Amino acid sequence: QVQLVQSGAEVKKPGASVKVSCKASGDTFTNYYIHWVRQAPGQGLEWMGIINPSGGTTSYAQKFQGRVTMTTDTSTSTVHMELSSLRSEDTAVYYCALQSGTTISWFDSWGQGSLVTVSS
Amino acid sequence: DIVMTQSPDSLAVSLGERATINCKSSQSVLLSSNNNNFLAWYQQKPGQPPKLLIYWASTRESGVPDRFSGSGSGTDFTLTISSLQAEDVAIYFCHQYYSSPPTFGGGTKVEIK
Repeated sequence: QVQLVQSGAEVKKPGASVKVSCKASGDTFTNYYIHWVRQAPGQGLEWMGIINPSGGTTSYAQKFQGRVTMTTDTSTSTVHMELSSLRSEDTAVYYCALQSGTTISWFDSWGQGSLVTVSS
Repeated sequence: DIVMTQSPDSLAVSLGERATINCKSSQSVLLSSNNNNFLAWYQQKPGQPPKLLIYWASTRESGVPDRFSGSGSGTDFTLTISSLQAEDVAIYFCHQYYSSPPTFGGGTKVEIK
């Protein structure tokens, strides 16, 4: 089973960008898909997009199109999620989540989460 | 997008009693060609990421206690905890993966009465 370990908490100013990383270990990284999901304080779960670490293909939620970029580094088994033009509403815990299989399915396991705080 | 609506928002149940959480989708998540419902349930404890409990609406993930069960089809689903334990205090989310974007219910907070 793959374990996902995420980068630490970040504090950013409005208008800045943040890059969160998610490192996989325990199995062949490229056998899975990685999703990014965020959770604002006290709120529910919001899907941001998916990346196939094998080929780097991505699909983003319409809400984040133009502001989010997901990339992969197969040499370190790490995926990155960069969100730009940050605003206070982007304050949230950002999770990477692993999906096995070749079509959209459930999320087998999740990273521990990375808190991003946007504040002037 | 498919909208997932959970009810209730919260419930308090005595230890050993049954807890029932409902989830309704704005359109069917049943694929008739294979009779599978594209619906999962997660448990999230404070300060932790969500943990997969159930997929295909009723299949328990390995290691999940059998007091957790999922049922329903089409647009109406239920997560049941047959005998609530102290460690089950958490927020529970449903999730549809029938179509993109995947979407989640708003969550149901389960507490001890």
